[in-house]
Amino acid sequence: EVQLVESGGGLVRPGGSLRLSCAASGFTFDNYGMSWVRQAPGKGLEWVSTINWNGRSTGYADSVKGRFTISRENAKNSLYLQLNSLRVEDTALYYCAREVRGSSGYYYDSWGQGALVTVSS
Amino acid sequence: DIQMTQSPSTLSASVGDRVTITCRASQSIRTWLAWYQQKPGKAPKLLIYKASTLESGVPARFSGSGSGTDFTLTVSSLQPDDFATYYCQQYNTYSATFGQGTKVEIK
Repeated sequence: EVQLVESGGGLVRPGGSLRLSCAASGFTFDNYGMSWVRQAPGKGLEWVSTINWNGRSTGYADSVKGRFTISRENAKNSLYLQLNSLRVEDTALYYCAREVRGSSGYYYDSWGQGALVTVSS
Repeated sequence: DIQMTQSPSTLSASVGDRVTITCRASQSIRTWLAWYQQKPGKAPKLLIYKASTLESGVPARFSGSGSGTDFTLTVSSLQPDDFATYYCQQYNTYSATFGQGTKVEIK
């Protein structure tokens, strides 16, 4: 059974930093690209970042480019998201999701339960 | 970025009803469209990909159709477990975008 378990969320002040982790199990992690998708309280879904299977190709939404960094450690079956220069509008539940490729993009066939990031003074 | 617009935003329906949700893309995405179901406090669940292919384990009362810019998700006979919020997502480009969601409520 595919399992994705996020951790590392918390309360942080504007301008602060946080590192999210996602532990994967139940599948061959380095066969898949992975993404982070977030959901602000009471709002819809927003794609944040993607990383390919070997970590050499990454992509970011304009709203986080230059502030967030995605990475992975295949030997540990782990995905990470480093969040820097956090803003109030970054407050959200952050999901890690397994990608399935189609055309130039991806859909997501497995999701974690999410890690809550709250940015507030 | 490709914009995705769902309608309606909220839908009130009864058990047994046939329900249709529409998703429109701001430009052609061919059939690179997925649908998800999300229940309160839970992660999204994949229902359909490539516009009309049912994900394994998803009940056959769910179906998807469309291509280009206009898509629909249909539930042929709404069940109590189907009251949830539904999202469409385009993956024609690497920067995926989602619709704003359609909440299906009990009438």
